[in-house]
Amino acid sequence: DSGVTQTPKHLITATGQRVTLRCSPRSGDLSVYWYQQSLDQGLQFLIQYYNGEERAKGNILERFSAQQFPDLHSELNLSSLELGDSALYFCASSLRESSYEQYFGPGTRLTVT
Amino acid sequence: GIQVEQSPPDLILQEGANSTLRCNFSDSVNNLQWFHQNPWGQLINLFYIPSGTKQNGRLSATTVATERYSLLYISSSQTTDSGVYFCAVYTGTASKLTFGTGTRLQVTL
Repeated sequence: DSGVTQTPKHLITATGQRVTLRCSPRSGDLSVYWYQQSLDQGLQFLIQYYNGEERAKGNILERFSAQQFPDLHSELNLSSLELGDSALYFCASSLRESSYEQYFGPGTRLTVT
Repeated sequence: GIQVEQSPPDLILQEGANSTLRCNFSDSVNNLQWFHQNPWGQLINLFYIPSGTKQNGRLSATTVATERYSLLYISSSQTTDSGVYFCAVYTGTASKLTFGTGTRLQVTL
């Protein structure tokens, strides 16, 4: 158990819908990252927050957004869902914002039908 | 951006065998992590290793940053070692991890 929690574990929804994925980092970690794992793209970085502020953006679609709250938990919002958004979404956390070891949550498996 | 390649892409071993997985990266890195993704999809931290050698039980890792590669050694493999092994690197001031292509390992009885 990495100490990073993610909910829900599985999510099945229809095209065009909106979903919210939730992540709680390890106790004491200030930085939260979101990654997407799909069959064709592999594991890709989406976005990073550090102590409530956005720090880095990767290959995140405009239909996707995220935020980190004062209690340091984070949410990833996916809207206007398409079949291609079906993937495993991971949250990771680290103590600080740069080059620190990242610990991954169990992931949320999203299926868009 | 940086390219991270892993070899071999697939590996089948009998229980008890040893193996070496390789990770090559195309640019200098600040740090490197090895992960095991088990059949249930969980990413498990194995090593956080910018340089040198570390050991944890039957697993060990060596990173030679100046030559841009890292190796993961698995000795006396067990069926529970099956899954996909990823290396991932940190570059420059970026906090994100760039993942390699993975090595899929299957350990049979």
